[in-house]
Amino acid sequence: GENVEQHPSTLSVQEGDSAVIKCTYSDSASNYFPWYKQELGKRPQLIIDIRSNVGEKKDQRIAVTLNKTAKHFSLHITETQPEDSAVYFCAAIGLTGGGNKLTFGTGTQLKVEL
Amino acid sequence: EAQVTQNPRYLITVTGKKLTVTCSQNMNHEYMSWYRQDPGLGLRQIYYSMNVEVTDKGDVPEGYKVSRKEKRNFPLILESPSPNQTSLYFCASADRGETQYFGPGTRLLVL
Repeated sequence: GENVEQHPSTLSVQEGDSAVIKCTYSDSASNYFPWYKQELGKRPQLIIDIRSNVGEKKDQRIAVTLNKTAKHFSLHITETQPEDSAVYFCAAIGLTGGGNKLTFGTGTQLKVEL
Repeated sequence: EAQVTQNPRYLITVTGKKLTVTCSQNMNHEYMSWYRQDPGLGLRQIYYSMNVEVTDKGDVPEGYKVSRKEKRNFPLILESPSPNQTSLYFCASADRGETQYFGPGTRLLVL
């Protein structure tokens, strides 16, 4: 089955700096890669996603890049703000389970310091 | 309002006492799933369902049961809870191939 690895597990940046979180996946058939943000005590919420036919997608300060050949994808947050502090999860959807099996990375605790 | 709901939100129980956590969605999604979240382990899938009466094991199904008798509901059943099932549980639903929407979570403590 699919295996998703995520790095780093913790990341501390100064407000205004950029943050980058990287994930690799194992199943070359995976075709959808969402990123979730989870604030303390709350549910994971989708912040951006990318499909396998696209190399990069941007939404304001957030961008995701995908390298299908290398089987890795990354989340980029620019001009970080204190409210960006949260746990971020990458995920990959593969063909198992009818195309809905979502395998998560283990998460990155991002802390934006003032 | 489109949403996934779970009940109860918090539950303290004792070893061996059967419990059910309910999950309901109002988005007519075919796909529903249960996850457990533990520190350092991320979100791990317990069971999922592709449609009514269709369920399958995820990555950590031991000690859990599910049923899908109606499209909107997907309860998680712990027939004989043990302390290692103490965790934060999330239900999620989705359209095929699309991202999943999560419920608010159920925090379970098994003594």
